[in-house]
Amino acid sequence: DAGVTQSPTHLIKTRGQQVTLRCSPKSGHDTVSWYQQALGQGPQFIFQYYEEEERQRGNFPDRFSGHQFPNYSSELNVNALLLGDSALYLCASSFGPDVDYGYTFGSGTRLTVV
Amino acid sequence: DQQVKQNSPSLSVQEGRISILNCDYTNSMFDYFLWYKKYPAEGPTFLISISSIKDKNEDGRFTVFLNKSAKHLSLHIVPSQPGDSAVYFCASMEYGNKLVFGAGTILRVKS
Repeated sequence: DAGVTQSPTHLIKTRGQQVTLRCSPKSGHDTVSWYQQALGQGPQFIFQYYEEEERQRGNFPDRFSGHQFPNYSSELNVNALLLGDSALYLCASSFGPDVDYGYTFGSGTRLTVV
Repeated sequence: DQQVKQNSPSLSVQEGRISILNCDYTNSMFDYFLWYKKYPAEGPTFLISISSIKDKNEDGRFTVFLNKSAKHLSLHIVPSQPGDSAVYFCASMEYGNKLVFGAGTILRVKS
């Protein structure tokens, strides 16, 4: 049973560029949440998608946007990249927007902005 | 808003002994807490949780204690094993099932 799959695993981008990160949820899960983990910090909530809509958003600028597809997979887009966007981006999936039902994280995408 | 603080960046424990990881929070309105474990190059893995209707929750070698008056929780691992060496995150669940994480504690269990 495949868990949460994220691609790519590593990525290097230049300041000002745009990036798209992808996430496939665990089989049977329909909710996807995205987190940013900067070096030495805990993961920070970016947003959550359920039924193809953004349900909840953290304190991140509009440069961060997302999408959920009918097959429940999701994309995270970041525009006008800044050096401070360098981080590990984690995707988590669950059945329904409720952590109690199991919140499974992927291994993340390491983004480096130079 | 909730803030979650893990004030010990690292902890080193001898194999077989008890590991105690601590976590403080600021907002009593949020009453469901979780611990995650993270190995390098892997995503966080759910370990154990507790809600405010309990003071304690056990799962095998792992026990979480919640002190609501002190806004403090702790994770006890007994006995500690080398495979427990990882980063441990404390998290609080906010509205809409958003998780607020602490900065993590690196646990090293020496054999």
